[in-house]
Amino acid sequence: NAGVMQNPRHLVRRRGQEARLRCSPMKGHSHVYWYRQLPEEGLKFMVYLQKENIIDESGMPKERFSAEFPKEGPSILRIQQVVRGDSAAYFCASSLDRSTDTQYFGPGTRLTVL
Amino acid sequence: GIQVEQSPPDLILQEGANSTLRCNFSDSVNNLQWFHQNPWGQLINLFYIPSGTKQNGRLSATTVATERYSLLYISSSQTTDSGVYFCAVRTNAGNMLTFGGGTRLMVKP
Repeated sequence: NAGVMQNPRHLVRRRGQEARLRCSPMKGHSHVYWYRQLPEEGLKFMVYLQKENIIDESGMPKERFSAEFPKEGPSILRIQQVVRGDSAAYFCASSLDRSTDTQYFGPGTRLTVL
Repeated sequence: GIQVEQSPPDLILQEGANSTLRCNFSDSVNNLQWFHQNPWGQLINLFYIPSGTKQNGRLSATTVATERYSLLYISSSQTTDSGVYFCAVRTNAGNMLTFGGGTRLMVKP
């Protein structure tokens, strides 16, 4: 029973490039959440998705960031034209349902922007 | 939005000692989770505990929802307990977990 999978685990990009982060939820989970952790800080919510729908993107920057969770395949967090301030750990979590269920976290993707 | 405060921010223990970590939150919640982030950055689920008391080995947690706080107890600490402990909550109306600032624990041999 595999947990939440994220890849790549480490990603290095130069300023102006695009970063694509992937998340496969636990088997049977249809709710996916993305969080960002800046160095020496706690995690901050970015976006909540169900299959083919963005439910809440209140924590996502308005520009350069987008997320999707297609009918088939992993959820993708895309960051266009990366800047040094985007360097952070990006965590994905999944849950069986929304209301009160436990969120299980993946190992994270550590993005470094040179 | 909801405020989550954890104390103490930093804690140094000698191996074998016991400790209590606290999490205060400012609104009613329907989800409260405790996590351990190990030195490699991985987030490990410790407890899902919106109310009541749970125990798992040397760790136990208690949430008093009516008074808006939760406690994490670590007994007979080991060096592998080192890392950052996060409390995270979700309100009835919210979709996301809101994390506290964490307690950074170092256990010395």
